[in-house]
Amino acid sequence: NAGVTQTPKFQVLKTGQSMTLQCAQDMNHEYMSWYRQDPGMGLRLIHYSVGAGITDQGEVPNGYNVSRSTTEDFPLRLLSAAPSQTSVYFCASSYSMWGAGNTIYFGEGSWLTVV
Amino acid sequence: AQTVTQSQPEMSVQEAETVTLSCTYDTSESDYYLFWYKQPPSRQMILVIRQEAYKQQNATENRFSVNFQKAAKSFSLKISDSQLGDAAMYFCAYSTYKYIFGTGTRLKVLA
Repeated sequence: NAGVTQTPKFQVLKTGQSMTLQCAQDMNHEYMSWYRQDPGMGLRLIHYSVGAGITDQGEVPNGYNVSRSTTEDFPLRLLSAAPSQTSVYFCASSYSMWGAGNTIYFGEGSWLTVV
Repeated sequence: AQTVTQSQPEMSVQEAETVTLSCTYDTSESDYYLFWYKQPPSRQMILVIRQEAYKQQNATENRFSVNFQKAAKSFSLKISDSQLGDAAMYFCAYSTYKYIFGTGTRLKVLA
């Protein structure tokens, strides 16, 4: 059982470049989300989705786009990379947002460096 | 707005001893969930323990237990018989329809 799979694991970008972080889950989870982790700031929610076709902004959405065309996939797009977007990115999913199924499962993280 | 505060950036414990990590939160909701996640050097996020706010009984998972004080909005994690493999960053999280994470406590286990 693969769980939550993120690619790539490591990426170096130049300022102004665009890229997409891929996230896929095989657990038929409705809820998917993207977080960034920065030293001393914990995990901050970027965007989330409660199902195919539905997305919403989290705490720090600026500079990122998402879409959810299928239940399985939730890619995160960096439109024009900036050094401030250097971070570790985590994709996460859960069966639901509420109740017994709301425990979230994380991918292994993607290390992004913008130079 | 809901917030989660972990006031201990770093803690140390001797192997086989017990350590308690603190977490407080602020919310006006009555129903919510609380979690502790462990992040070892590999950066993988691992669920340690989960508590439903409507349950008065404190959750336990083997050597891990919580002290949930709903009125005080406190949710501390106790690790008994600490092992070298417990060394990690620990994050407290609060959830209603969104997850909010604390800034983490780095736990060092001394041999």
